[in-house]
Amino acid sequence: NAGVTQTPKFRILKIGQSMTLQCTQDMNHNYMYWYRQDPGMGLKLIYYSVGAGITDKGEVPNGYNVSRSTTEDFPLRLELAAPSQTSVYFCASSYVAGANSYEQYFGPGTRLTVT
Amino acid sequence: GDSVTQMEGPVTLSEEAFLTINCTYTATGYPSLFWYVQYPGEGLQLLLKATKADDKGSNKGFEATYRKETTSFHLEKGSVQVSDSAVYFCALSYTGGFKTIFGAGTRLFVKA
Repeated sequence: NAGVTQTPKFRILKIGQSMTLQCTQDMNHNYMYWYRQDPGMGLKLIYYSVGAGITDKGEVPNGYNVSRSTTEDFPLRLELAAPSQTSVYFCASSYVAGANSYEQYFGPGTRLTVT
Repeated sequence: GDSVTQMEGPVTLSEEAFLTINCTYTATGYPSLFWYVQYPGEGLQLLLKATKADDKGSNKGFEATYRKETTSFHLEKGSVQVSDSAVYFCALSYTGGFKTIFGAGTRLFVKA
């Protein structure tokens, strides 16, 4: 299993440009997440999905959009890039069933710079 | 609301030294507690976990005990190696839920 894969690894955007960060998992996990990690800070949840076709906002959703058309894929869209979106973005997935919740599996991250 | 507080880093130790990274939490219920590790250039990966009070999680020589009375989950290792240099995150999550709350992370440097 490849686990959680993300592309690209690095990207530089100009202010106002748009881009999509790709995320794919091959573990058949029902839940998927997008986080951002700013220097010296913990992770902040941007959006999450509990299954194909279902998404919801996390702690810091402004400036981002997501979709989940399949179990495997959970892309994150930045519409009008701003310097405040300079960060490292992590995609994660987990399996949640009834009263049991399990650890999250993370991708390697995308380092995004907006100038 | 729920929160996780970790000791500030960086923590610098010599090889074979004893490691403690403090973690305390505030929770409205009875969460599971986790330690994740992030090696340079990689995503987070689970190091250990404990699901109820007095449980001890352990992995790769690291240990942490879920202390409900002190709302703590301190990470310890008896003898660190250079390869343990990484950022360590304490986190909590509720059984049956899915949202994980992470601490800010503690960077560990181990010198040879």
